[in-house]
Amino acid sequence: DQQVKQNSPSLSVQEGRISILNCDYTNSMFDYFLWYKKYPAEGPTFLISISSIKDKNEDGRFTVFLNKSAKHLSLHIVPSQPGDSAVYFCATLTGGGNKLTFGTGTQLKVEL
Amino acid sequence: EAQVTQNPRYLITVTGKKLTVTCSQNMNHEYMSWYRQDPGLGLRQIYYSMNVEVTDKGDVPEGYKVSRKEKRNFPLILESPSPNQTSLYFCASSLLAGGQGDTQYFGPGTRLTVL
Repeated sequence: DQQVKQNSPSLSVQEGRISILNCDYTNSMFDYFLWYKKYPAEGPTFLISISSIKDKNEDGRFTVFLNKSAKHLSLHIVPSQPGDSAVYFCATLTGGGNKLTFGTGTQLKVEL
Repeated sequence: EAQVTQNPRYLITVTGKKLTVTCSQNMNHEYMSWYRQDPGLGLRQIYYSMNVEVTDKGDVPEGYKVSRKEKRNFPLILESPSPNQTSLYFCASSLLAGGQGDTQYFGPGTRLTVL
């Protein structure tokens, strides 16, 4: 049973526009969330995180929003660039912090 | 350069032939972990290690073994591989386990095909 869900397997956005990637989770006890980015033939790389004590965290073009009541988080990329084309995974720390539980990923394509 | 390395990067083998995928990190990290990535399932944890000689099962440990004899190395062993272990495998490490803000660094992946 997926504890972290990314319901959109793919997303296509024009360069310069906003990309919004969504993630839902099932357990209200989850309190730390991360986004990873993955290019083909490479391992995932950490992008941005958010603790449940916050509802927003920003790092340059990347902002993560957390809606605890809806058990939903989203990653906003503004403006989107072709180099942002990758698979994006949301994840949460589970198992007492010993494990990252990942969503299934969203393939983002930023078109010229 | 700080990195996690895995070998081999690609491997095709046959059912039942024991194999080992090596993982090494040069960051003096205490925590290491193995994940497999499958279409539609994301990444799932196989095993993790909090420190030398301390290992524990993740979500999908069946058919795998690990060992942590040295801090830098965390090999993944498939004693008798089967076709359902065909997957993309990632090793990861972090300074400590359980730390919010403690980033896990991933290796480049090993694509395994079991015929």
